[in-house]
Amino acid sequence: NAGVTQTPKFQVLKTGQSMTLQCAQDMNHNSMYWYRQDPGMGLRLIYYSASEGTTDKGEVPNGYNVSRLNKREFSLRLESAAPSQTSVYFCASTPGQKNIQYFGAGTRLSVL
Amino acid sequence: DAKTTQPTSMDCAEGRAANLPCNHSTISGNEYVYWYRQIHSQGPQYIIHGLKNNETNEMASLIITEDRKSSTLILPHATLRDTAVYYCIVRVEAAGNKLTFGGGTRVLVKP
Repeated sequence: NAGVTQTPKFQVLKTGQSMTLQCAQDMNHNSMYWYRQDPGMGLRLIYYSASEGTTDKGEVPNGYNVSRLNKREFSLRLESAAPSQTSVYFCASTPGQKNIQYFGAGTRLSVL
Repeated sequence: DAKTTQPTSMDCAEGRAANLPCNHSTISGNEYVYWYRQIHSQGPQYIIHGLKNNETNEMASLIITEDRKSSTLILPHATLRDTAVYYCIVRVEAAGNKLTFGGGTRVLVKP
């Protein structure tokens, strides 16, 4: 039982490049989330998906798009990466009513 | 959501109990208190949650005051591996809920 799996673990991009961060959970959870964490800061919600087929903006959605591909997978896309998007990205999932979120190990992204 | 206030940092001696306070004076009747922690470079980890009764699990105990305006997370025998940032979050239970991770308390367990 892997829990929440994020790929890749590390990535370096040049300004203007695009990429997709992948997240998959094997716990049959309904809700999934994408956060970013800048050095020395708390987590900020980018997008979330309350259930399969729905997505909503969080606190800092600009520059990102998401896809809830199916119940297991929730991807985050950077269409044109900017240095301000250098951060650690965490994916999380939760089964439903309770606010117990399970987090992945994170993707460390640097945009040069 | 009710706002929470936590100390910025605290130190604790290894083997001793660590008591982490959280103020949530504007909490409403249906909001739960959740505690998470984040060990350096890792994703946050759920610890415990409660509504009004005290709760205990294998990781910690949660003490909520009778008026529910504050709570304390207790790590009974702190180890060096408990060094982390601890987040207190107040939220209703609902599907697809967003959690707000504020600044938290940076706990350093010293040998």
